[in-house]
Amino acid sequence: EAQVTQNPRYLITVTGKKLTVTCSQNMNHEYMSWYRQDPGLGLRQIYYSMNVEVTDKGDVPEGYKVSRKEKRNFPLILESPSPNQTSLYFCATLASFFSPDSPLHFGNGTRLTVT
Amino acid sequence: GQQLNQSPQSMFIQEGEDVSMNCTSSSIFNTWLWYKQEPGEGPVLLIALYKAGELTSNGRLTAQFGITRKDSFLNISASIPSDVGIYFCAGLATNAGKSTFGDGTTLTVKP
Repeated sequence: EAQVTQNPRYLITVTGKKLTVTCSQNMNHEYMSWYRQDPGLGLRQIYYSMNVEVTDKGDVPEGYKVSRKEKRNFPLILESPSPNQTSLYFCATLASFFSPDSPLHFGNGTRLTVT
Repeated sequence: GQQLNQSPQSMFIQEGEDVSMNCTSSSIFNTWLWYKQEPGEGPVLLIALYKAGELTSNGRLTAQFGITRKDSFLNISASIPSDVGIYFCAGLATNAGKSTFGDGTTLTVKP
């Protein structure tokens, strides 16, 4: 079954404690992306990756890092989390950003609370 | 960054009524996507549009990719209670790698 798997689903942490949210896909998709969703602000893109070893900033990259060392995984790293990073995070994948028939497929989300 | 204006922000309708929502942008997109999100879940793809002028249906849902490539609409006919949720549009600019989402339309259907 085609899947985008995020872990963990829920995470409560304290300010400054480094954390990683994982995203894994089994569809051999080239493109992967991270979003945060906040009330009234919709989905905002944090970082994206067009392929292995290729990453770029989205609209709200401050305070986040990503890596794409292999095709299936795209972890989101918060080196020093702050309360304003409390949010619902989604990972999404797409077969190829240059393919004419490629929709975004979403994971089930990670709800992060930073106290 | 690019912005999408999605309207209306919310809708309260009676079961059986038709629904229409739309997204507009000042930027051109190569792909328009429509998603539905329910509480605690990730967005689920409803309809994908890849060509300007394209009109696509999925059951009671119909969506169109505007000719100018700057807008799209989604219609739901004969609404039912399980249509309740938040509907999002998304535009992909395939030369840039970025994706932009509307702020969502919250749909409430009264039985």
